[in-house]
Amino acid sequence: AQKVTQAQTEISVVEKEDVTLDCVYETRDTTYYLFWYKQPPSGELVFLIRRNSFDEQNEISGRYSWNFQKSTSSFNFTITASQVVDSAVYFCALSEMGDYKLSFGAGTTVTVRA
Amino acid sequence: NAGVTQTPKFQVLKTGQSMTLQCAQDMNHEYMSWYRQDPGMGLRLIHYSVGAGITDQGEVPNGYNVSRSTTEDFPLRLLSAAPSQTSVYFCASSYSLAGETDTQYFGPGTRLTVL
Repeated sequence: AQKVTQAQTEISVVEKEDVTLDCVYETRDTTYYLFWYKQPPSGELVFLIRRNSFDEQNEISGRYSWNFQKSTSSFNFTITASQVVDSAVYFCALSEMGDYKLSFGAGTTVTVRA
Repeated sequence: NAGVTQTPKFQVLKTGQSMTLQCAQDMNHEYMSWYRQDPGMGLRLIHYSVGAGITDQGEVPNGYNVSRSTTEDFPLRLLSAAPSQTSVYFCASSYSLAGETDTQYFGPGTRLTVL
């Protein structure tokens, strides 16, 4: 069975600090997909990234970066130089090949204080 | 493109009442699904559909019904509402790619309270 663990329930930082969100997953499949979604206070779910298990390259998109390590079954997310607009709940999710169903972690609430 | 739309945005029901949450998408996505979000539990899959006429149960299907008569619409029915169904409900859709899991895009959500 697939499972996603986000051990950090809440993280609070001051603006311009970096923040790293941990995501650890379990799956028996060799081919799977990992996702991050952002849920701002307005409530919608915003897609951030999709990564397949064969692509272990780290990715950077502006102030966001992702570190995928198959050896430790982790897909961590870092926000560099955080801003108040980054305050949100962030979800990590996993889907096994051809399954379509997403298994979500419990989410990490990030609060960025001015 | 409107993307994934959901109605209503908010709903209050009394225990035992029934209602239908509407979900529609205009992206010609084959795959559609319903999730519920409860505090501290992330999102859990209720039902999903890989195409018109095909539906299946997810992790928490009890108390809910779905049907998929068209590609665009995927309504979720609460048969007899219970306070345990108080939650935020999200509909999602994606392409159904052979051998790959495509990105799922979510609707704005419906906040349901059952008294």
